[in-house]
Amino acid sequence: AQKVTQAQTEISVVEKEDVTLDCVYETRDTTYYLFWYKQPPSGELVFLIRRNSFDEQNEISGRYSWNFQKSTSSFNFTITASQVVDSAVYFCALSGRETSGSRLTFGEGTQLTVNP
Amino acid sequence: GAVVSQHPSRVICKSGTSVKIECRSLDFQATTMFWYRQFPKQSLMLMATSNEGSKATYEQGVEKDKFLINHASLTLSTLTVTSAHPEDSSFYICSARDPWSEAFFGQGTRLTVV
Repeated sequence: AQKVTQAQTEISVVEKEDVTLDCVYETRDTTYYLFWYKQPPSGELVFLIRRNSFDEQNEISGRYSWNFQKSTSSFNFTITASQVVDSAVYFCALSGRETSGSRLTFGEGTQLTVNP
Repeated sequence: GAVVSQHPSRVICKSGTSVKIECRSLDFQATTMFWYRQFPKQSLMLMATSNEGSKATYEQGVEKDKFLINHASLTLSTLTVTSAHPEDSSFYICSARDPWSEAFFGQGTRLTVV
């Protein structure tokens, strides 16, 4: 079975602080994909990143960065110099090739609030 | 990037009536689409996998007679909530993806049953 755990239910920071959202996953698949999505109050899911299981290189995109550690089954997301517009619910998700086809298993989400 | 359009974005209906939600992939063919349900402050739970030209595959605990899914073409899947009740009020969101690309999500439909 696949499982994604986002232990942080809510995080509150002050603008310009850095914040890291944790994601730990479980899967029996040898080939799998990890995702991060942002869900603002409007409800729409905004795709942020996809990482396959063979690529452990960390990625940076502007203020966003991701740390994929296969050894600890973690795929953490860091926002540098947070802004009020970053306030949203962030979901980590997993798609495993062998056992789940292309369906996504989502974590419980982390509500991030950035205060001015 | 690929776009998935979901309609309507918001619907209010009376208890006992049926509501149809459409999910369209606008610039790619989606042989598989997914329907999720999200309760307030909770995660997305997969309801069913919609397969073009065949029956949908429902997750355990999801009533297939209540949530009718039709995937009549490679660009359209519909979810019909039959005989809706207040407990069916939720946020429904569809997803379509090319194999092993990121999943593209519709805008979601907020259903309120009164």
